[in-house]
Amino acid sequence: NAGVTQTPKFRVLKTGQSMTLLCAQDMNHEYMYWYRQDPGMGLRLIHYSVGEGTTAKGEVPDGYNVSRLKKQNFLLGLESAAPSQTSVYFCASSLGGYLEAFFGQGTRLTVV
Amino acid sequence: KQEVTQIPAALSVPEGENLVLNCSFTDSAIYNLQWFRQDPGKGLTSLLLIQSSQREQTSGRLNASLDKSSGRSTLYIAASQPGDSATYLCAVRDDYKLSFGAGTTVTVRA
Repeated sequence: NAGVTQTPKFRVLKTGQSMTLLCAQDMNHEYMYWYRQDPGMGLRLIHYSVGEGTTAKGEVPDGYNVSRLKKQNFLLGLESAAPSQTSVYFCASSLGGYLEAFFGQGTRLTVV
Repeated sequence: KQEVTQIPAALSVPEGENLVLNCSFTDSAIYNLQWFRQDPGKGLTSLLLIQSSQREQTSGRLNASLDKSSGRSTLYIAASQPGDSATYLCAVRDDYKLSFGAGTTVTVRA
C-alpha cells in the first residue's frame, strides 16, 4: 500500500520556468491538499480539493494552479517560478473532511 | 483565521525523561486535532488524532490531551528514547482544512 506518493522528490528550476508536481493516492480519499513548508513558518495550505473535478484556494494560492481530473491524482502547477517559491511541498489526503490526514514524502523545490 | 502556536520551539532532554509538548490554538471551533512527527528531510507521520469530543488519546508511550475550550493540547511521550528525536507538529482542523503550528524540535540525548 503506497499511500500518498509525490513526484518528483527534488527539482531545481530557473526563474520563469514552469513545472508540475504530481500527487497520487491509492486510498480512495476524497480530499486532497497541497502545502508548502518554509523554515520557522510551519505548513501553509496552497490549494485543496474536496473531490474529483473540484479545487479551492488555500492560504497562499498566488503563483500556483491545481487540477483534480482524476480522484487519485492532484496536480500542482507553477506557471512562472520565482525564488520565493523555493520550498518543500507536501501533498496530503483524507477520506473525509474531518478524518485523519496522510502526507506524502515531500518535494524539495529550489528556484534559482 | 486560526493561529496555532507550539512552545517551546526546541527541547533537549536526557534519555528516559518524559517529554511534554504544548500546542495552543486561537479558535476553539475545531473538528479535531492531529499530532505529527517529522524526521529531517522526510514527510509527516501521523501520531495521534483527537476528535473535538474527546479529552485524550493514547498510543503506546504517547498520550495526547485536548482542552478545546481553552484552546490547548499537550502531547506526552513517556520514557523518551534517542529514536524519539524529531520535530513534532500539531495541526487543528476546522472547515476541513488543517492549520499547523511551526513545530517543536526534540533532541533526546543518550
